[in-house]
This record gives sequence, structure tokens and C-alpha cells, in this order.
Amino acid sequence: TQLLEQSPQFLSIQEGENLTVYCNSSSVFSSLQWYRQEPGEGPVLLVTVVTGGEVKKLKRLTFQFGDARKDSSLHITAAQPGDTGLYLCAGDMGTGANNLFFGTGTRLTVIP
Amino acid sequence: ETGVTQSPTHLIKTRGQQVTLRCSSQSGHNTVSWYQQALGQGPQFIFQYYREEENGRGNFPPRFSGLQFPNYSSELNVNALELDDSALYLCASSPRRGHTGELFFGEGSRLTVL
Repeated sequence: TQLLEQSPQFLSIQEGENLTVYCNSSSVFSSLQWYRQEPGEGPVLLVTVVTGGEVKKLKRLTFQFGDARKDSSLHITAAQPGDTGLYLCAGDMGTGANNLFFGTGTRLTVIP
Repeated sequence: ETGVTQSPTHLIKTRGQQVTLRCSSQSGHNTVSWYQQALGQGPQFIFQYYREEENGRGNFPPRFSGLQFPNYSSELNVNALELDDSALYLCASSPRRGHTGELFFGEGSRLTVL
């Protein structure tokens, strides 16, 4: 059983469309991170959210942490082919166990 | 400033063999974490090393072991390989222990067990 479930698992859209990726859990996290991973590479950090209800923007990407710190969403406006990749959410439970839990991943393909 | 480097990038082993994967952390980083990423899944935490000592471990059996050296580079050793050990093994370094900060990942070592 995965601690963090992401949906959708796969997403294929046309350039210029908007999309939202969801990351859900029944557990509370002290912080949550979003990474993007391209084929043959390791994940690269996009953002860290810490406060319940927090919203962060990174150009066309908007990240939100749920009020209860159990879920998060990533919204991309006017998607571009360069946004193609595997999007991973990862949560820190803040127990001091140094165990970052990754989600199942959303594979996004943006078609030119 | 060099990033995180891992070696080898690809390797093939047979069941029962042993494997050692290596990681050089980013300059100035004293913490190294190892993750296993099976095909189509998110990475799973194996363990973390901070200043040469294990500082947290995920749900992996004892045949997964590691080391960190005085220069903060690290090794992941897996004994008695099983087919399910086939995966991408990712090393990540950070300037501090714990996970509230950014993790810097290497490109990974892809292990295939036949």
C-alpha cells in the first residue's frame, strides 16, 4: 500500500491546455515536496510546501498544500512540451526518521 | 561545483550475486540517502547516512547495507540478489540531515537481475 497516491497515473494533453495533478494521503505530513523526473535522470525538486493551505507559484506551475496537510495539488497552466515528465510528490512526516515518502507518480506527456 | 554522480550507470547481475553501487555527493553535502525506484513507481527510501553513520532506514532487509566515507561519498551493497531487486537505484545528497531541505539526486544506477 502506497502512503501517497497520485492521480491521474498517466496524462496526455495538447500544448496550451491546463491540467491538475493530485497527491492524496490519509497521513499528515510536516512538509511536502514536488519533483519532476525526466527519462534517464534523477528527480529534480520543484517546490516545498510546509504550511497547511499554502499556495506557491513557479511560473506556470501552481502548488497547493491541503489545509489538513494530507494532500496537495499541482496545476499547470498552458502546458508546453518541455513540461513532459514524471511528476512525483514526496512527504516528510517530521518524525525524525529521515524517511521521505514518494507518491506513485504522474507521467505527463504534452503533445506539440 | 559538481553534482551528485553515481556509478555504474547500468549493470546486469544474476540471482544470488552481490552488487556495490557508488555515489559521490555534491560538494559541501554531508548527508546521503539511497532510494530504490522500481519501474513505473515512485522512489522508496532505503537508508540515509550522515557523517559516516546510518541515520534512518526504510523497510528493506539486512542484505541491503551501506557505507559513507570521510569525504561523504557512499556505497550501497546488496547481497544475495533477487529478481525483484531489479530497479533504478538513486542516490541523493543534501547539506543537512532530515528531509525538509532539498534533495539533490544523481542520475541513478539501473540494476537488472536475471
